Amino acid sequence: DAGVIQSPRHEVTEMGQEVTLRCKPISGHDYLFWYRQTMMRGLELLIYFNNNVPIDDSGMPEDRFSAKMPNASFSTLKIQPSEPRDSAVYFCASSFSGGRGNEQFFGPGTRLTVL
Amino acid sequence: AQSVSQHNHHVILSEAASLELGCNYSYGGTVNLFWYVQYPGQHLQLLLKYFSGDPLVKGIKGFEAEFIKSKFSFNLRKPSVQWSDTAEYFCAVIAGYALNFGKGTSLLVTP
Repeated sequence: DAGVIQSPRHEVTEMGQEVTLRCKPISGHDYLFWYRQTMMRGLELLIYFNNNVPIDDSGMPEDRFSAKMPNASFSTLKIQPSEPRDSAVYFCASSFSGGRGNEQFFGPGTRLTVL
Repeated sequence: AQSVSQHNHHVILSEAASLELGCNYSYGGTVNLFWYVQYPGQHLQLLLKYFSGDPLVKGIKGFEAEFIKSKFSFNLRKPSVQWSDTAEYFCAVIAGYALNFGKGTSLLVTP
């Protein structure tokens, strides 16, 4: 299996631009998670989906952030408009509810820099 | 609300030294506990996990952790570290399906 796939790996954009991050979970996994990692706040859960349905989006910082999962093999995290404080590494992870311990498998992350 | 506390933010050790990283969690129910490692420039990888049974859990690369329920602790240990263990280590607790991470401990192993 290819593991969790994220694109792009690096994104540099200017303040005010729209940014779209993409994630392909491991095939067969029914949970998908978006995390953000910053020096100040560490790893934070933004939102997670179960069977393509958003379950908990309480970690989404504000309305500029939105996430979708149109099907079981694809999810997007969109920031519009982007701001410098959004600069971070964004990780996507997936898990299978039938597995023991609910282990999550992480993608390589997208390093976002907003100038 | 559940939370995870990692006591050491930065640790510097010489090769062959023993390692113990502290992790405490606050959650009254049944928990699954994890340690993840993030090598420089790489993504998170699972070191080990505990969800039931023997409280002493062995993971990859010689790491182990002990779950002490009475102390709400899940400390990570390795008897002899190597330079290649230089990384950031995250303790996490899961209740339900979402992971709650500690702030992480940055480990530097010097030759």
